[in-house]
Parts: sequence; structure tokens; C-alpha cells
Amino acid sequence: NAGVTQTPKFQVLKTGQSMTLQCAQDMNHEYMSWYRQDPGMGLRLIHYSVGAGITDQGEVPNGYNVSRSTTEDFPLRLLSAAPSQTSVYFCASSYSLLAGNTGELFFGEGSRLTVL
Amino acid sequence: RKEVEQDPGPFNVPEGATVAFNCTYSNSASQSFFWYRQDCRKEPKLLMSVYSSGNEDGRFTAQLNRASQYISLLIRDSKLSDSATYLCVVSVRNDYKLSFGAGTTVTVRA
Repeated sequence: NAGVTQTPKFQVLKTGQSMTLQCAQDMNHEYMSWYRQDPGMGLRLIHYSVGAGITDQGEVPNGYNVSRSTTEDFPLRLLSAAPSQTSVYFCASSYSLLAGNTGELFFGEGSRLTVL
Repeated sequence: RKEVEQDPGPFNVPEGATVAFNCTYSNSASQSFFWYRQDCRKEPKLLMSVYSSGNEDGRFTAQLNRASQYISLLIRDSKLSDSATYLCVVSVRNDYKLSFGAGTTVTVRA
């Protein structure tokens, strides 16, 4: 019962470094997404994908890149880390988010990133 | 103005008490509503969807008021294990972008 798997769980970066947060799901979900969670602000959508080869921007996409080469994997790349990117990152997947469905998102355990 | 607003709390209640809190949303085109639960330093998990007619799941009751644009969650007979942050989530029909509230923290004490 793997569900959504995120790695790493913790990471410390220096300003300007780049890194990739990995996300994989084994539920054959078409929809995958990345959120960041900051105190007092709720989860904010960074990027999302509705299928292999299809990605789109969310609410706060600047400084992040994504790709979706397979249904299972949806990595998030930080191009040049900044202290403002210190946050907890969650990957989430769903069978579908379109009208009428339950809209249940399955989240990974989160990745805590600190940028110094 | 935030799309989804919640009273952050914390709501501190004794075991067995009833606690209720609301969430307001700004987009009148919102069609789907959910409550998620998030334990400390864990990932959010779906607690329940909110239907127009209101719905119950055991000790949890969710209501939707479209006229005033808010949803509510009521927890009866609170247990220690109900201590968590409850996230209100709203989406617009045919939109892939869910809007999350910042959460309401509930602490149930023995």
C-alpha cells in the first residue's frame, strides 16, 4: 500500500542551489499536483498535471519546474533556491478532480525544505 | 481577500464536548466542498465531503449554506484523537485547482 511516495523527507539547501523533489504514486491516478504549506496560509498549488505529458501552473509556480513523463512520477524542480522557498511541500494525486467526483486528494507525507 | 477563510482557533474542548466551526468562501461559483484533517506534522487526509443537504459521518456533521457562502463542521462527543487541524477545501466546477483554508486547530483535553 505505497500510495503517494515523496522523497526526500527533509532537505537543507543553500541559496542558489537546485534540487528535485521526487513524487511517485502507484494508484494509476491521472491527476498529480504539488502544494506548499506555510504557516497561516493554507496549502497553495504550485503546479499540476492531468496526465502524462500535460502540466500546468498553479497559484505560485515561480521558481519551480515540473514534468510528467509517466503516469506514476511527477518531480518538482527548484531551479535556484531562495529563502522564500523554505516550506513544507506536499505531492498529491487523485483519480480525477472534475465536476461531480469526490475530489479526494491523496497526499504524500511531505518534504520539509529549508533554504539558508 | 482569501478565497477560503477559517478561524484558526485553537478550540480547546474537554472530552465529550461538542465543538463547531465554520469556513467561508468567496467564490459564488464554488460547487464542491470538503473537510480534510491534518495531524501535527502529517499530511492532510479527507475527512468528509459536504453535500448541499448536509451530511453526517458518525460523530461528524457537515453543513453547507450557499446563501451565506459558508460550510460548517460539528464534532459531537469529542475524543482525544479528534485533536487535529481541520482544513476547509473548496473547488469550482470543472476546475483542477482546489482552494484550501489555513485550517482550524482543535485540541481535545482529558
